[in-house]
Amino acid sequence: GDSVTQMEGPVTLSEEAFLTINCTYTATGYPSLFWYVQYPGEGLQLLLKATKADDKGSNKGFEATYRKETTSFHLEKGSVQVSDSAVYFCALSEAGNQFYFGTGTSLTVIP
Amino acid sequence: DSGVTQTPKHLITATGQRVTLRCSPRSGDLSVYWYQQSLDQGLQFLIQYYNGEERAKGNILERFSAQQFPDLHSELNLSSLELGDSALYFCASSVALAGGPSDTQYFGPGTRLTVL
Repeated sequence: GDSVTQMEGPVTLSEEAFLTINCTYTATGYPSLFWYVQYPGEGLQLLLKATKADDKGSNKGFEATYRKETTSFHLEKGSVQVSDSAVYFCALSEAGNQFYFGTGTSLTVIP
Repeated sequence: DSGVTQTPKHLITATGQRVTLRCSPRSGDLSVYWYQQSLDQGLQFLIQYYNGEERAKGNILERFSAQQFPDLHSELNLSSLELGDSALYFCASSVALAGGPSDTQYFGPGTRLTVL
């Protein structure tokens, strides 16, 4: 069945460091891929998405590229800020199917 | 603000009791999803409704049930509550079914359930 595996945390970085959170997926067809972010005490918010191979989703300085050959959708940001501290979830959806979320990766950025 | 509303924000109850959580989707969204988020289990998909009909079931216990009403709001009923049911319960909505071009889910702020 479909599934998402993402890098375990927690991740702690200094401000302005480079961020990568790995995400790989298993799907039977051609899923859409998502990154959601959950700030402390809040619900999940869509950060970015990509709907087909080689698409790059981007938002707020974050980027992720849909790589079909490696079944990956890694999240990257060139220079993190304290305000990026949150839990990040990778997810996929496939036609007629439910959404599948990864376990979440907690990021803490220290000044 | 995602446009998805959930009530109540907090709920404290005792073991063996029954509670109802309510969700109003974004205007125009036909799909509603329920999730449970606990510290040890992460984000678990419970159930999905689309335009009033059940479309997908995840790890939902038999003690739990849900429905979506003609006005598209949804309720999640939790009965015979146990200590382990303490968690954050999120509702999400989307325009269409998963996999389409408009399948982005928008999450509500959640209901925090505490079972004592």
